[in-house]
Amino acid sequence: GAGVSQSPRYKVAKRGQDVALRCDPISGHVSLFWYQQALGQGPEFLTYFQNEAQLDKSGLPSDRFFAERPEGSVSTLKIQRTQQEDSAVYLCASSLARGITYNSPLHFGNGTRLTVT
Amino acid sequence: DAKTTQPNSMESNEEEPVHLPCNHSTISGTDYIHWYRQLPSQGPEYVIHGLTSNVNNRMASLAIAEDRKSSTLILHRATLRDAAVYYCILVYSGAGSYQLTFGKGTKLSVIP
Repeated sequence: GAGVSQSPRYKVAKRGQDVALRCDPISGHVSLFWYQQALGQGPEFLTYFQNEAQLDKSGLPSDRFFAERPEGSVSTLKIQRTQQEDSAVYLCASSLARGITYNSPLHFGNGTRLTVT
Repeated sequence: DAKTTQPNSMESNEEEPVHLPCNHSTISGTDYIHWYRQLPSQGPEYVIHGLTSNVNNRMASLAIAEDRKSSTLILHRATLRDAAVYYCILVYSGAGSYQLTFGKGTKLSVIP
């Protein structure tokens, strides 16, 4: 079956441009997570959705970052007025359970590599 | 959040067993030990998890110390495809947690 799909795979943006990154989770998965991974570092949490509700956005680094999941399936991470420090891989994950549970692993997509020039 | 400590990197010869250590001296009784790995240019993938007893699955084995302050992920026969960054993560067994906290992990190199 299909896994988590993210598009585009690569995105180059000029500083100041807006970008939108898409995530298609596994069908039927309640939970959706966004992570940011800088080069050589582990993934860092950005935000969490349970169905269409955004229950945790404590990891979003600034108000330039906005995420939505309006119908409880596909999600979009939008970054406004991109800066060079936004260059990273953005990972999306989904799971069957509500929130993080010990017996329901996260399924990650392969990410979108964003480069801001 | 309870923290884990892993070596930055390890090397293994192909077809030999690999033991990847993880220290978690502040683990609480309600924390599970999870392992994920991240192959180059891919997202992390779940490997295995356990609470107290040793666990086996088709990918790996997890050996947990009796005091639960450390654990070891065991790959029985390393292949080139096992070259990845391995993350040891503590997962609270209760409700209301929305964040999985990754550290830097251990980068495993497999030598042909």
